[in-house]
Amino acid sequence: DQQVKQNSPSLSVQEGRISILNCDYTNSMFDYFLWYKKYPAEGPTFLISISSIKDKNEDGRFTVFLNKSAKHLSLHIVPSQPGDSAVYFCAANPTNTGNQFYFGTGTSLTVIP
Amino acid sequence: NAGVMQNPRHLVRRRGQEARLRCSPMKGHSHVYWYRQLPEEGLKFMVYLQKENIIDESGMPKERFSAEFPKEGPSILRIQQVVRGDSAAYFCASSPTSGIRDTQYFGPGTRLTVL
Repeated sequence: DQQVKQNSPSLSVQEGRISILNCDYTNSMFDYFLWYKKYPAEGPTFLISISSIKDKNEDGRFTVFLNKSAKHLSLHIVPSQPGDSAVYFCAANPTNTGNQFYFGTGTSLTVIP
Repeated sequence: NAGVMQNPRHLVRRRGQEARLRCSPMKGHSHVYWYRQLPEEGLKFMVYLQKENIIDESGMPKERFSAEFPKEGPSILRIQQVVRGDSAAYFCASSPTSGIRDTQYFGPGTRLTVL
C-alpha cells in the first residue's frame, strides 16, 4: 500500500527553466514532509522539509509547497541546473510515530544543458 | 568528517545463504535506521535502532531478518536463508540526537543480489 505517490517516474527540463516535481499522499496523519535527492550509486541526501503548519518553505533555488486539503506537495527548482539531474524522493512522517518515514517511488529529473 | 558508511557495497548470495550488511553511522550519531528499496519501488522503512536497543522494528519481515546495533562496532542487518525476493538495495541512515524528525543521513547502500 503506497501511501506516498510520485506519479511521474521521469521529468526532463531545459537548463534555466523551472522544474516541478509532484508528490501525493493518502494518509491524513502525515504532518511532516521531506524531499531527498539521490545520485546513482549514492544514498539519498536531504534537500528540504516542510511541516504541516506551513504551506511553503524556501531554501535557495528550492521551494516546497504543501496543499493539505489536496494532500499534495511539490518541489520547485528554479533555475534548474544540469547538476540537479538526479532522482528525487518525497517522504512523509505521521504524527506521533517517531521516525518512520514513508517514501515515494521517486522521480528522475534530467536537466538538459 | 566521514559520512555514513556501508559495506559491502555489493553482495551476492545464493539462495539459502546468510547475508550480513554493515552500517557505521556518522561520528557522533547514535541512531540508525535501515531501509530497503526493491526494484521500481521507493525506500521502505525496516527498523530503527539506538545503541543496544531496537526502538521500532515495525517494518521488518517477521522471519529471517534481524538487526542489531551493539555498544561497540557497526550496526548489522542480518538476513538468514536468503531468497530471490530479498534482492534489493539496503540503505542505512543515521541521525545525531533524539531522532524525532531529525534529518537522517544516508549511506551509499548495499546492493544484495540473490542468485
